[in-house]
Amino acid sequence: DGGITQSPKYLFRKEGQNVTLSCEQNLNHDAMYWYRQDPGQGLRLIYYSQIVNDFQKGDIAEGYSVSREKKESFPLTVTSAQKNPTAFYLCASSGGTATNTGELFFGEGSRLTVL
Amino acid sequence: AQSVTQLDSQVPVFEEAPVELRCNYSSSVSVYLFWYVQYPNQGLQLLLKYLSGSTLVKGINGFEAEFNKSQTSFHLRKPSVHISDTAEYFCAVSDPFGNEKLTFGTGTRLTIIP
Repeated sequence: DGGITQSPKYLFRKEGQNVTLSCEQNLNHDAMYWYRQDPGQGLRLIYYSQIVNDFQKGDIAEGYSVSREKKESFPLTVTSAQKNPTAFYLCASSGGTATNTGELFFGEGSRLTVL
Repeated sequence: AQSVTQLDSQVPVFEEAPVELRCNYSSSVSVYLFWYVQYPNQGLQLLLKYLSGSTLVKGINGFEAEFNKSQTSFHLRKPSVHISDTAEYFCAVSDPFGNEKLTFGTGTRLTIIP
């Protein structure tokens, strides 16, 4: 079945360590997104990419980095510079501006806990 | 810039009663509007969307929403809720002429009381 796969589902790390969250899609979507979810704050956009080898900062990009070397993959690295990394991270994809229906398709999320 | 306000952070409702979850948006341009549902520890699933045309939009699981341009609202309704509707609901907005980057509200947690 087509969809978005995020891994790992749960991740524990010590303070000061970088961690990378994986996001893979087989929907042939052009655009991919990373959101961060905290209780009571909704979803906030970290980074997004509309095409391979290109990406833009979202509203809360500080302390995060991404790459988009393949259409199917959009990994997110949470660096040690991120002051409060414990959160639920959601990856999403969409058809891109060529098919602008506005609908995002989400993965199941990755819960990162920094000890 | 666009923004979305969901004034109710939590809404408790008795089973089989009707429910309305409120959403207001702010935008200087025309918008696309969405409602997503999130079950515990899962991603978001699209309930319904308004792109253009009829202002009453029907979605999955018996939900519907009405776009009101003059009041800049897009409230979600269901005439009779079930235990399985317990979840968090997010309203979102995007710019039809830009990319598909969505701006989300802070969410409303719907709790169904048996």
